[in-house]
Amino acid sequence: GAVVSQHPSWVICKSGTSVKIECRSLDFQATTMFWYRQFPKQSLMLMATSNEGSKATYEQGVEKDKFLINHASLTLSTLTVTSAHPEDSSFYICSARISGTSETQYFGPGTRLLVL
Amino acid sequence: GNSVTQMEGPVTLSEEAFLTINCTYTATGYPSLFWYVQYPGEGLQLLLKATKADDKGSNKGFEATYRKETTSFHLEKGSVQVSDSAVYFCALTGYSTLTFGKGTMLLVSP
Repeated sequence: GAVVSQHPSWVICKSGTSVKIECRSLDFQATTMFWYRQFPKQSLMLMATSNEGSKATYEQGVEKDKFLINHASLTLSTLTVTSAHPEDSSFYICSARISGTSETQYFGPGTRLLVL
Repeated sequence: GNSVTQMEGPVTLSEEAFLTINCTYTATGYPSLFWYVQYPGEGLQLLLKATKADDKGSNKGFEATYRKETTSFHLEKGSVQVSDSAVYFCALTGYSTLTFGKGTMLLVSP
């Protein structure tokens, strides 16, 4: 149980284009999902907290107009990297918390983005 | 604020050796503590957790005990396998978000 999927698993795009990454909770409802970014050989950096039906809460230093988050249902959150640039290349990981609980986060397999 | 400190890696062991990865934390209140594992090219998997002092989390031969007096949550395994090679992250919850340590790479050779 508690499986989270991400799509796509990897994507290569040209500089200036936008890329959408999906995060789905497959066997549970998730009122809250989280988006992280991980640089090579480093820990995860929380980018934003996504709440179903409301605006995402962004961490300090994360541009909300650059990283658009939509959480339209209890099983799906999307992260759109707008006007991507090479410095946006990274490993993006989402996690989800089972609705009604407050602790354990279940992580997706990650999406590797390469911007040329 | 909350913080997690892990021993730096890589930790290099031979198969069947004993493993300890140290983790200490600083937090207000009574956080829950977690160990996550990340295999190459993948996301994080929850390995084990403990929600209160003196709790022991265990899974797949790994275990860790929540020590409030030493603010520690060290990960141990009695006999590691090559398939345990991965990066291990210690983490705690505070106000619903996770705070991660920097991760410790474990390399197990046959």
